[in-house]
Amino acid sequence: QSALTQPPSVSGSPGQSVTISCTGTSSDVGGYNIVSWYQQSPGTAPKLMIYEVSNRPSGVPDRFSGSKSGNTASLTISGLQAEDEADYYCSSHRSGPTLVFGGGTKLTVL
Amino acid sequence: QMQLQESGPGLVKPSETLSLTCNVSGGSISSSNYWWGWVRQPPGKGLEWIGSIYYSGTTHYSSSLKSRLIISVDTSKNQFSLNLISVTAADTAVYYCARQLGVGRWAFDIWGQGTIVTVSS
Repeated sequence: QSALTQPPSVSGSPGQSVTISCTGTSSDVGGYNIVSWYQQSPGTAPKLMIYEVSNRPSGVPDRFSGSKSGNTASLTISGLQAEDEADYYCSSHRSGPTLVFGGGTKLTVL
Repeated sequence: QMQLQESGPGLVKPSETLSLTCNVSGGSISSSNYWWGWVRQPPGKGLEWIGSIYYSGTTHYSSSLKSRLIISVDTSKNQFSLNLISVTAADTAVYYCARQLGVGRWAFDIWGQGTIVTVSS
């Protein structure tokens, strides 16, 4: 099963905003409001940052926000901080029912 | 505070069966609010969903692994397990178990630390 499409890398300076896209199809991202975003630092387990497109779990800063338009979901990080440097993965429910992840995006804070 | 912990062999021979268990502590695996899942990550690569199970035993599997996969739950031990048969080097990965939010919500909010499994003779 093909993964969702994410840019391999994005970068930004402290204080700036960055957006990571996640493109799928009408069978996954476009068909359901069940997109999640995870942050993963080297050697650690992923951490849930956004679920159901735009909901933040308790403890996740409001600098992290999610949205969706058509078959593309987006994660925006505003007020970028050095600690935000990590890999980010999107996931979506896909008809089946199954779950599919994106290929991951490496965020570099310049 | 709920915690998940994976356990199992770190080395498996090609063509044999990879077996892992996820022990759940700090809460009941029989909660109707959650599913329980497995996710893996090959070295230097991205995340791949393997499958998920409800405490009743209902499962959802990745279509690419379905023919080799069994996920089971033991509510008396508060744990769930993964069995992947006929493994190859392509199954070498860090394997994570995780709690899945609610029925049909498909987001993993609590993760184990992960366990490295190498397939090699």
